[in-house]
Amino acid sequence: NAGVMQNPRHLVRRRGQEARLRCSPMKGHSHVYWYRQLPEEGLKFMVYLQKENIIDESGMPKERFSAEFPKEGPSILRIQQVVRGDSAAYFCASSPQGAEETQYFGPGTRLLVL
Amino acid sequence: AQSVTQPDIHITVSEGASLELRCNYSYGATPYLFWYVQSPGQGLQLLLKYFSGDTLVQGIKGFEAEFKRSQSSFNLRKPSVHWSDAAEYFCAVGAIGDYKLSFGAGTTVTVRA
Repeated sequence: NAGVMQNPRHLVRRRGQEARLRCSPMKGHSHVYWYRQLPEEGLKFMVYLQKENIIDESGMPKERFSAEFPKEGPSILRIQQVVRGDSAAYFCASSPQGAEETQYFGPGTRLLVL
Repeated sequence: AQSVTQPDIHITVSEGASLELRCNYSYGATPYLFWYVQSPGQGLQLLLKYFSGDTLVQGIKGFEAEFKRSQSSFNLRKPSVHWSDAAEYFCAVGAIGDYKLSFGAGTTVTVRA
């Protein structure tokens, strides 16, 4: 019974490169959420997706960030032209339909921008 | 808007001693409350949650939390800590159908022998 899976666990990028973070939800879960954790802070909501739909991206920066959850395959959080301020831990969570408030988290991807 | 405050940034406790972590929240509706634990380099694991009913909630790993509406608090307790409890603990608030969990900044627990 695999939990939420994220890869890579650690990612190093130079300024201006692209970062792609992947998340596979728990089996049977159709809702995916992305959160960002900056150093010394709690997690902040970024985006909520269902299969092939972005439900709420109000927490995601308007530029350079995008997310998708295709019909097949993992959810992807994409950061274009990364800057040092993007260095953070990015967590994915999933929930079953009808229980959106109970979210199960993956191990996170720690992004370091040099 | 909802918010969560964890007043203690860092707590050091001796192994075998009791532990209490404080959490205060601000939420307009009836809140759902959660405690998560994050071990170094790991993801967040759900310790317990409160939705309704009995205000004393039992969780995994011997933890419990008490919801006090009058104080807007949801403090986490453990009677006797183990070295493996050293981790960061996050309190979070949400509501039915509200997928945007709001997290506190976390409390780091150090356990000394």
